[in-house]
Amino acid sequence: ETGVTQSPTHLIKTRGQQVTLRCSSQSGHNTVSWYQQALGQGPQFIFQYYREEENGRGNFPPRFSGLQFPNYSSELNVNALELDDSALYLCASTPGGKGTGELFFGEGSRLTVL
Amino acid sequence: AQRVTQPEKLLSVFKGAPVELKCNYSYSGSPELFWYVQYSRQRLQLLLRHISRESIKGFTADLNKGETSFHLKKPFAQEEDSAMYYCALSSYNTNAGKSTFGDGTTLTVKP
Repeated sequence: ETGVTQSPTHLIKTRGQQVTLRCSSQSGHNTVSWYQQALGQGPQFIFQYYREEENGRGNFPPRFSGLQFPNYSSELNVNALELDDSALYLCASTPGGKGTGELFFGEGSRLTVL
Repeated sequence: AQRVTQPEKLLSVFKGAPVELKCNYSYSGSPELFWYVQYSRQRLQLLLRHISRESIKGFTADLNKGETSFHLKKPFAQEEDSAMYYCALSSYNTNAGKSTFGDGTTLTVKP
């Protein structure tokens, strides 16, 4: 069973640039969620994708967008980067459906915005 | 609105001592509560969830709806329990993907 994988692991961008982060879900999982974890804080929900559609969004501006592909992998795109976007971005997958869910996390992509 | 509060950023105990990591939540619906753990240089992973009522690695947590708490307890801490612990909440009626996390407690177990 393959776990959640994310790429790249680290990247550095400058203000105003755009970034794309990638995630492959755990095999058998059709739902992918993205989280932002700033230093010293817990993960904060950005959005979730199910069946290639956004299925819930946290308190993040529209310049945070995403995609899910037919193989359930996903991308997180952030436009017009700001210094405060510097964080660890975590992808998590779940089997989907209601109730007894457990999040399976990747190791994260650490973004630094200069 | 959902909110999870972990009042202690840092907690330090000696090996063999009891440990309790506090978690309080606010949520108007039917909550599902989780504890996640991150060991050094490992990814975040589930430790336990209230619905399964299991004891994992000697840890237990009871959901107290009256006090809106889900404290994590272990009677005898071990050095390998040193890690970052996050309490998380999701609605039982939706996918756990939309979870709200606390800011975590770093547990250090001293020899």
